[in-house]
Amino acid sequence: QKEVEQDPGPLSVPEGAIVSLNCTYSNSAFQYFMWYRQYSRKGPELLMYTYSSGNKEDGRFTAQVDKSSKYISLFIRDSQPSDSATYLCAMVSTIQGAQKLVFGQGTRLTINP
Amino acid sequence: GAGVSQSPRYKVAKRGQDVALRCDPISGHVSLFWYQQALGQGPEFLTYFQNEAQLDKSGLPSDRFFAERPEGSVSTLKIQRTQQEDSAVYLCASSLVVGGEQFFGPGTRLTVL
Repeated sequence: QKEVEQDPGPLSVPEGAIVSLNCTYSNSAFQYFMWYRQYSRKGPELLMYTYSSGNKEDGRFTAQVDKSSKYISLFIRDSQPSDSATYLCAMVSTIQGAQKLVFGQGTRLTINP
Repeated sequence: GAGVSQSPRYKVAKRGQDVALRCDPISGHVSLFWYQQALGQGPEFLTYFQNEAQLDKSGLPSDRFFAERPEGSVSTLKIQRTQQEDSAVYLCASSLVVGGEQFFGPGTRLTVL
C-alpha cells in the first residue's frame, strides 16, 4: 500500500463547477501538505501549502486538512478551462531538514467550456 | 534563466546504453532533488543534494543509477545499462534554502527501446 493514495480520475466537469480533489495518507509523521498543479509536459508547480488541520483559502482554491482522518482535499470554485491539468497532492517527509516530497498518483482534471 | 532547466528534454536510448541527464538549478539554490515520474503516476523521490553533498540516495532504484553535483550547482543523473523499466520523466527541483519551496524543471522524458 502506498503512503499517499489519490484517485487518478480522469475527472471532467463543466466550466463554473466546483471541483473536489482528495487524498488519503497513512504516515502520521507527515506534517506538511501541499497541492501541485502539473500541465502537460511541464514540471509540477506549487498551488497550496498548509501544515495544520482546517481550511486555507487562496482565491478560488481552498485546501482542507483533517489530520485525525488522514485526509486532505482541494476545492476549486468557479472552475475555468485553464484549470485543466493534473493535480498532485504531496506530503512532506523531512530528511536532514530538507523536505522530501511524497506524492499521490495525481488526478487528471478537464474543465469543459 | 529564471527557472530550473533540464537537458535534454527528450532522450531515446536503446536498452543497454548509458545516459546522462543534466539539471541546472536556479542560481544560488542550496538544495537539489531528483524525482522519477512514470506515466500516469506521481513523482517519486530519487536523491537529494545539499550543495555538493549527497545526503540521501535512498530512492535510487538500483546501482545503475548515479547522481552527482560536484560544484554545488549543476547536477547530472546517470543511468548505466538502461532497461525498459527506466522509461519515465526525470524531474529536477531546487530550493533556495534547506526546507524551502521546491521549484521544478520541465523534466527529461527518457524512452528506452
